[in-house]
Amino acid sequence: EVELVESGGGLVQPGWSLRLSCTASGFIFGDYAVSWFRQAPGRGLEWVGFIRTKPYGGTTEYAASVRGRFNILRDDSRSITYLQMNSLRTDDTGTYYCSRAPTYRKRSLEYLSHFDHWGQGTLVTVSS
Amino acid sequence: DIQMTQSPSSLSASVGDRVTIICRASQTFSNYLSWFQQKSGRAPQLLIYGASTLQRGVPLRFSGSGSGTHFTLTISSLQPEDFATYYCQQTYSIPFTFGGGTKVDIK
Repeated sequence: EVELVESGGGLVQPGWSLRLSCTASGFIFGDYAVSWFRQAPGRGLEWVGFIRTKPYGGTTEYAASVRGRFNILRDDSRSITYLQMNSLRTDDTGTYYCSRAPTYRKRSLEYLSHFDHWGQGTLVTVSS
Repeated sequence: DIQMTQSPSSLSASVGDRVTIICRASQTFSNYLSWFQQKSGRAPQLLIYGASTLQRGVPLRFSGSGSGTHFTLTISSLQPEDFATYYCQQTYSIPFTFGGGTKVDIK
């Protein structure tokens, strides 16, 4: 059974750093891209960023709101993806989800198709 | 960025009703459109991808259609477990963007 489990959330002060983990099981982790999303309390869903598979360099893409502050890494040997969050702001508060995405190749580039399995989420609260 | 606009933002319906939710995109694209269901306090669940492909395990009363800038999610006969918030999402271009959501509650 496919499963993704986020961990590492908590209460931090503005300007602090936090690292979230997403541990996967039930599938060949290295075959999938992994994305992070977040949801502020009472609000809609927001895409945060994703990391490609290693054959395509394991490169990353980020939303403008987090670019330069957040970094996504993957450890395929342990089936874990990390979201390193630096210089946290109060508007980063929310529940953070990881999700896997099947990918496809087009003109030597890797594209994501859709997000078919999600973790249960971990809450991050940034407050003084 | 592609803006995704859902309508309505909320609706009240009865068990057995046919429900249609619309998602409009600010730019035209092919079928890289997904629909999610989210219940309170839970993670989103994928219902439809590729605009019209039903995710494995999702009941047949859910269907998706559309292309270009106009997409729809239809629930043919609303069931008690379908009361939730629904989101569309495009994966055609980065940043991947969501509609604002449609909350379906009991009339």
